[in-house]
Amino acid sequence: GIQVEQSPPDLILQEGANSTLRCNFSDSVNNLQWFHQNPWGQLINLFYIPSGTKQNGRLSATTVATERYSLLYISSSQTTDSGVYFCASGNDMRFGAGTRLTVKP
Amino acid sequence: GAVVSQHPSRVICKSGTSVKIECRSLDFQATTMFWYRQFPKQSLMLMATSNEGSKATYEQGVEKDKFLINHASLTLSTLTVTSAHPEDSSFYICSARGDYNQPQHFGDGTRLSIL
Repeated sequence: GIQVEQSPPDLILQEGANSTLRCNFSDSVNNLQWFHQNPWGQLINLFYIPSGTKQNGRLSATTVATERYSLLYISSSQTTDSGVYFCASGNDMRFGAGTRLTVKP
Repeated sequence: GAVVSQHPSRVICKSGTSVKIECRSLDFQATTMFWYRQFPKQSLMLMATSNEGSKATYEQGVEKDKFLINHASLTLSTLTVTSAHPEDSSFYICSARGDYNQPQHFGDGTRLSIL
């Protein structure tokens, strides 16, 4: 199956800072999603973005399918943004290892 | 929006018990459902993929006889952990998808603890 790699594995920010999370995938895909897992384990769907750019408030994502990567941008980070961010890709939706984000007040 | 309901949210039971977890798509037809397992501080590991009316496709290393998956309708899939043991304790989470080029929608997960 497809291999999905995320970077960085951990990220610590001061409230108000901006950040970029990256997802590389090993093969061309028709599906890519970004999720935020909250402390209770719930997966919140952020973006379904097999290609192109989308924005939702302070979050935006870009997928360059031909170069096999996707980026998640978080602007003006807040403490409530803390948690683990996952990308998943491929027909059978395999997950990367995640980026653990901590936003400090 | 699309809603996936997963029950129960938490199960605590004795070793040797079989446990059934249900995953329902409430407002859309799920052609494909996925079952994942997540250990603390790790990522979600795909266990199996099931298409309605077909046998599930299991990932390498996942015991078919241990983790029984049924996807009998376009809105319901079940995962049964048979003769559960403490090492089966984990967070199990399901997802559902309509067509191939549509997003996955996740249930809230089931925390399984085997004593």
